[in-house]
Amino acid sequence: EAGVAQSPRYKIIEKRQSVAFWCNPISGHATLYWYQQILGQGPKLLIQFQNNGVVDDSQLPKDRFSAERLKGVDSTLKIQPAKLEDSAVYLCASSSGTSGSGQETQYFGPGTRLLVL
Amino acid sequence: AQSVAQPEDQVNVAEGNPLTVKCTYSVSGNPYLFWYVQYPNRGLQFLLKYITGDNLVKGSYGFEAEFNKSQTSFHLKKPSALVSDSALYFCAVRPSLYNFNKFYFGSGTKLNVKP
Repeated sequence: EAGVAQSPRYKIIEKRQSVAFWCNPISGHATLYWYQQILGQGPKLLIQFQNNGVVDDSQLPKDRFSAERLKGVDSTLKIQPAKLEDSAVYLCASSSGTSGSGQETQYFGPGTRLLVL
Repeated sequence: AQSVAQPEDQVNVAEGNPLTVKCTYSVSGNPYLFWYVQYPNRGLQFLLKYITGDNLVKGSYGFEAEFNKSQTSFHLKKPSALVSDSALYFCAVRPSLYNFNKFYFGSGTKLNVKP
């Protein structure tokens, strides 16, 4: 089966500019996650969707970050305006998550590497 | 609070020797435990998971992990390391209570396998 797709793979922008990342999860996966991974650290959850509803966005900096999953399939994460500290890899993951048992494995996309100058 | 600790930033091992990458956790309820591997410029790749049952679980590429409830540990092991195993390894835990399917990741351990 096809994996999680993300684009772009790399992005360089200047601070105060805006940027958007796109993710297409594995077909049929109800749960979609966006993570931020800063160099040398583990992934930090930004937002979690169940179908098109938000389950957890407690660590999303809502003054500058936004995300949507309008049709419950693909998703977009936006940063506006970007700051230097937003330089990181943004990972998208998905899981079947339909039963809510928590046993479902998360599968990750290749990530988008963002550099803010 | 839920947390995962990987006490070693880096593990060095010679090719052919056994390897262990350590992970301990603190979560509410019975944990679901996972190991992921990340190669340079790639996303995280699933290796194995423990849900219930046998404490020793086997996964991809010859890796295995042992769940120890009393020590709240889930160490990753491989009997004979390969140079190609060199990568960044992440332990993750999903608590069985509260927010379903939320994962907590450790900070990662860089494994260096030398020829």
